[in-house]
Formats: sequence, structure tokens, C-alpha cells
Amino acid sequence: AQSVTQLGSHVSVSEGALVLLRCNYSSSVPPYLFWYVQYPNQGLQLLLKYTSAATLVKGINGFEAEFKKSETSFHLTKPSAHMSDAAEYFCAVSPTGGYQKVTFGTGTKLQVIP
Amino acid sequence: DGGITQSPKYLFRKEGQNVTLSCEQNLNHDAMYWYRQDPGQGLRLIYYSQIVNDFQKGDIAEGYSVSREKKESFPLTVTSAQKNPTAFYLCASSMEGFGTDTQYFGPGTRLTVL
Repeated sequence: AQSVTQLGSHVSVSEGALVLLRCNYSSSVPPYLFWYVQYPNQGLQLLLKYTSAATLVKGINGFEAEFKKSETSFHLTKPSAHMSDAAEYFCAVSPTGGYQKVTFGTGTKLQVIP
Repeated sequence: DGGITQSPKYLFRKEGQNVTLSCEQNLNHDAMYWYRQDPGQGLRLIYYSQIVNDFQKGDIAEGYSVSREKKESFPLTVTSAQKNPTAFYLCASSMEGFGTDTQYFGPGTRLTVL
């Protein structure tokens, strides 16, 4: 069964600093990978997804993530944090092929300090 | 505007009562999902449906029931058998239920047991 591990339940960065949120996956074959964002008391929305095309995936709001098979990682980055980036971020994984369930990580809350 | 609606936004239940959470989508998606979100535990799948009149248990189905009589509707009933129902409940839909699908989320229902 696939799983994801998000390192750090809380991350704080200064406004303008690099954002790095870590996600490692466990899967017997390279899976599909996703990053979703959740603002307080709202549902989740997709930031970006990797579906076995380019390993560097660009998403909305200036975020990007790189799929590294050798490290089984899919870390999320943004060069310069903005106050509006404060939210909870979820990494998710799904096996390839046909109908599949998505497994979500436990989330990382990002705090942006002015 | 296409999207997913959930109602009510807040719900209070007395112990021993069954309650039903509504989820409606107008995205013409085949697949629908119910997740439970608890602090520090991420999203856990309760039930999912890939087609009308068919649904499958997720990872934590005990104490919950669903129906899928119409493509656009996927209500969740929290029964008295669910011992710890206080949580944030999220409904989602996707085009077909494939592993590559983006899931689109509703705004959630916060259930509190009094």
C-alpha cells in the first residue's frame, strides 16, 4: 500500500524567505503525487500534481515541486513566501493505473512571519 | 458556477442521534468521496463512489453510511454507532476516480457531538 510522510507538522518562515515543505512517499512503483492547500475552515484545492511527465512540476501561486525517484521525495518549494501563503499543505499519493484511491499525508501548517 | 456544496456548515448532534450531511456537485463528475479530518491526522477516507448506485468502504467506514442515487448527490449519514463523530467532514468529487484525477473539495461540515 502507498503512503506519504510529511516532515514537520508546523513550519515557520519569514515573509520573502524560501518555503520548503517536505514529502516522502512509499510505493512499490513510481506513483502519482499531489500537493493540496487548505485555508482555515475551507476545503482543499490542488496546487500541483505529478503524473509521470516532467519531474519538475509548476503549480499555482508560484509553487513548484520536484519528483526525485532516488530519494522517494516530492518536496514543495516557493522562492519567496507571501503572507497569503499561510495555510495547511497536504501531500497525497495515488497508485498508477485505473481506478485508485488517494492517500493523504498528515499535513504541514505553514506560518509566515511578517 | 460549477462546484461542490456541503450543508450544513456547522452541525450539532446529541449522543445517540443519527445525522445526515449533504453533498451536491454540478461538475458532472462520476466519482465522489467523503473524508474525515481530525487535527494532526490529515484526511481519512470514509466512503467513495465511482458510479451511481455503487459505493465502497474506505479506511474508516464503521459507524457511517452513504447512498448514491443520483450522480450529483452523495449524502453521508453519521450513525449512533460512530463513537467519536466530532470532526470536520469534507466531500470531494473527481472526473472518473482514476489515480491521476484532481479531486475538487467542498467547504466542509463541522460536526460537534454535545
